[in-house]
Amino acid sequence: NAGVTQTPKFRILKIGQSMTLQCTQDMNHNYMYWYRQDPGMGLKLIYYSVGAGITDKGEVPNGYNVSRSTTEDFPLRLELAAPSQTSVYFCASSYKTEQFFGPGTRLTVL
Amino acid sequence: AQSVTQLGSHVSVSEGALVLLRCNYSSSVPPYLFWYVQYPNQGLQLLLKYTSAATLVKGINGFEAEFKKSETSFHLTKPSAHMSDAAEYFCAVSGGNTDKLIFGTGTRLQVFP
Repeated sequence: NAGVTQTPKFRILKIGQSMTLQCTQDMNHNYMYWYRQDPGMGLKLIYYSVGAGITDKGEVPNGYNVSRSTTEDFPLRLELAAPSQTSVYFCASSYKTEQFFGPGTRLTVL
Repeated sequence: AQSVTQLGSHVSVSEGALVLLRCNYSSSVPPYLFWYVQYPNQGLQLLLKYTSAATLVKGINGFEAEFKKSETSFHLTKPSAHMSDAAEYFCAVSGGNTDKLIFGTGTRLQVFP
């Protein structure tokens, strides 16, 4: 099992550009999550999904969109990148009580 | 609603000394509590979890935590620190099975030789 994989590992965007952060899990988990991590702030939930075709907002959804067309994939879309979206993004999936995290994507918006 | 507070953003100990990382929680329902560890430039890894069974929970790498309802605490301990324990540690709470996790702000542990 590869677990949760994320691409890319690093990305630099210009203000106003768009991009998609990819997340894939091979554990057949129904629940998937996107977090952002900022220094001294812990992890904040952006969006989550309880299964294919079902998504919902987390604590900090503004500026992001998600889709969940398959159990395996949960991409995160940034439409108009802003400097405030500079962060490290983590995808996770869960079965019952434990969440499994990907290695993260470090995004810088200049 | 749930929340967690981690007391101390940085903790420094000598190798071989006791590690104590503090976490207090607030929850309107019986909580599930977690400790995760994050090594530099990596994702989070589960250390241990409390899901309403035994109040003393043992995790990986010699860590353990005790759920104390009267104190609303779930502090993480390890009797003897090792250099490889240097990392950031996050306490998290959820309201139950597969519910969303609410994370604390993290505690960075430094271990000196």
